[in-house]
Amino acid sequence: GENVEQHPSTLSVQEGDSAVIKCTYSDSASNYFPWYKQELGKGPQLIIDIRSNVGEKKDQRIAVTLNKTAKHFSLHITETQPEDSAVYFCAARYSSASKIIFGSGTRLSIRP
Amino acid sequence: SQTIHQWPATLVQPVGSPLSLECTVEGTSNPNLYWYRQAAGRGLQLLFYSVGIGQISSEVPQNLSASRPQDRQFILSSKKLLLSDSGFYLCAWRRGRANYGYTFGSGTRLTVV
Repeated sequence: GENVEQHPSTLSVQEGDSAVIKCTYSDSASNYFPWYKQELGKGPQLIIDIRSNVGEKKDQRIAVTLNKTAKHFSLHITETQPEDSAVYFCAARYSSASKIIFGSGTRLSIRP
Repeated sequence: SQTIHQWPATLVQPVGSPLSLECTVEGTSNPNLYWYRQAAGRGLQLLFYSVGIGQISSEVPQNLSASRPQDRQFILSSKKLLLSDSGFYLCAWRRGRANYGYTFGSGTRLTVV
C-alpha cells in the first residue's frame, strides 16, 4: 500500500554545514512531493515542494531532488543556521488520492 | 489570501467529558479538509478528511468523529474523552483536484486528565 519512509529520524549537524534528509515512496504513480518544517508547538509549514516532471528545485539554502526511477527524494539544507532546528517531514501525494502520505519525521538539531 | 483558523490553542479536559474542536478556512471555496493528531515527539496521524459538505472519510477507528456542516468548517468531536485522546490536533486544508500541499492550522494541544 501507500508508504513513505524517511531517514534519519534524528540529525545533528554543525552550524554552517549541510544537512540531508532522504525519503522513499512506494507508489510509482506519486506525482507531488512536499516538505514541511515544524517548529516546537506549531503546525507544520510547507517549505518546498517538487512535482514529478522536475528533477530538482532550489529555493535559497534549501533544495529538493527527485529520482523517479529509484522512487527517492531528498531535502538538502546548505549553510545551516540555528533557526533551521526543527522537525522536517517529507510527503507524497498519489495521483488518485485526496490525501498526502507523510514520512515519520526527522528532528534536525544545529550545533553552534 | 487564504487563512485557516483553529481553536482553542490549548485545552485540558477530564476523562469522560465531551470534545469539540473547530476549524474554519477563509478565502477559498470547496477545500479538502483534514484532521491530524500528533502524539508527543511523533509523526502525523491522519484521522479524518473531507472533500465536500457532509462527506467524511475516517482513516482509523477510534473514539472521535468529524463533521463538515458548512463548506469551510470542519469539526472534530468526541462524546467521551479517553486518556489516550491526549495529543496535538492539527487541521489542514488543500485545494481540491490540484497538486498543492496542505496548509496547516496552528494546532490544539489537548490534555485529557
